[in-house]
Amino acid sequence: SQQGEEDPQALSIQEGENATMNCSYKTSINNLQWYRQNSGRGLVHLILIRSNEREKHSGRLRVTLDTSKKSSSLLITASRAADTASYFCATDDSGGYQKVTFGIGTKLQVIP
Amino acid sequence: GAGVSQSPRYKVAKRGQDVALRCDPISGHVSLFWYQQALGQGPEFLTYFQNEAQLDKSGLPSDRFFAERPEGSVSTLKIQRTQQEDSAVYLCASWRIPGELFFGEGSRLTVL
Repeated sequence: SQQGEEDPQALSIQEGENATMNCSYKTSINNLQWYRQNSGRGLVHLILIRSNEREKHSGRLRVTLDTSKKSSSLLITASRAADTASYFCATDDSGGYQKVTFGIGTKLQVIP
Repeated sequence: GAGVSQSPRYKVAKRGQDVALRCDPISGHVSLFWYQQALGQGPEFLTYFQNEAQLDKSGLPSDRFFAERPEGSVSTLKIQRTQQEDSAVYLCASWRIPGELFFGEGSRLTVL
């Protein structure tokens, strides 16, 4: 079963615009991560935010985490056509061995 | 190797045939995950290894699915008597310490 749920499931924007994707999850977590997947390829790690952090930046990426609402958002600023991909949030359980489960993803299309 | 390697990249099987999918994780990565990804969906957890020990196989969909990692490095996911609903991409991922997962390119299985 999927732990997270991304919103929206699909997003189409013009190059240069910002893209915001949201993720909600169900259980207590240690970390939340965002991954990107180009069509037909494996997933690539983008950014990790720990449960005691509220915001993190990496280049054009900004991630926020609200553990009280069990939600996170990924903002991609000044989008490029090359950002076209599917984006997934992933959480690891705070109990046990930190099993990582993924959401259903947001499919982002950036139109040149 | 430099990254996680999976083989074969593509496999077409006739219904009822057995298949074996191989994953060669990054050297030194203790933990290894298998995921199943249906078209347009997020990766669904199948099973987890720490070294040669299979600590969680709760995601394996049926007893036709079997995974092993006998020497704590290469892992094989075996599917017996394949069914059409087994058609998916099978992703392998590994990490040295909990955090960023490194994914292979996946093995796309099509069952006719």
